[in-house]
Amino acid sequence: DAGVTQSPTHLIKTRGQQVTLRCSPKSGHDTVSWYQQALGQGPQFIFQYYEEEERQRGNFPDRFSGHQFPNYSSELNVNALLLGDSALYLCASRPVGARTTEAFFGQGTRLTVV
Amino acid sequence: AQSVTQLGSHVSVSEGALVLLRCNYSSSVPPYLFWYVQYPNQGLQLLLKYTSAATLVKGINGFEAEFKKSETSFHLTKPSAHMSDAAEYFCAVILGDMRFGAGTRLTVKP
Repeated sequence: DAGVTQSPTHLIKTRGQQVTLRCSPKSGHDTVSWYQQALGQGPQFIFQYYEEEERQRGNFPDRFSGHQFPNYSSELNVNALLLGDSALYLCASRPVGARTTEAFFGQGTRLTVV
Repeated sequence: AQSVTQLGSHVSVSEGALVLLRCNYSSSVPPYLFWYVQYPNQGLQLLLKYTSAATLVKGINGFEAEFKKSETSFHLTKPSAHMSDAAEYFCAVILGDMRFGAGTRLTVKP
């Protein structure tokens, strides 16, 4: 059973560019969430997708957007990159409506903005 | 206000010593609490979870945590530290989605 998979594992972008990160959830999961983890900090919730719609959103600007596809996979897009967007981006999946079920995480995508 | 607060950003113990990582939660959050571990440049792995069943929860790698409502705490412990326990540990709660504390870095000295 494949867990949560993310691609790419690493990438380097220039300030002002746009980036797209991809995530495939764990089999049987239909809810995907994205987190930003800056160096030395805990993961910060960006947003959650279910049934191809954004259901919840953390305190992130509109430069951060996402999409969920019919097969439950998801993309995170960040426009007009800033140096401060450099971080590990984590994708997590859960079964919908499972109040007590933990999130399963991918290995993350390390984004460096130069 | 923080949903979960981890006391101590860095804890250092000797190999074989007791590990105690502290987490306090806001009394306004549902009592679904989790501990995750993160090794360098990796994602998060679940250690254990509390979901209103037994207050003492046992997890993987010899870790356990006790839910204490009177103290709004969910501290993580391990009787004897191993070098392989060196990692970042996060306490988390479900508030619509998972929300994490700032993390505690555990260092294990030989």
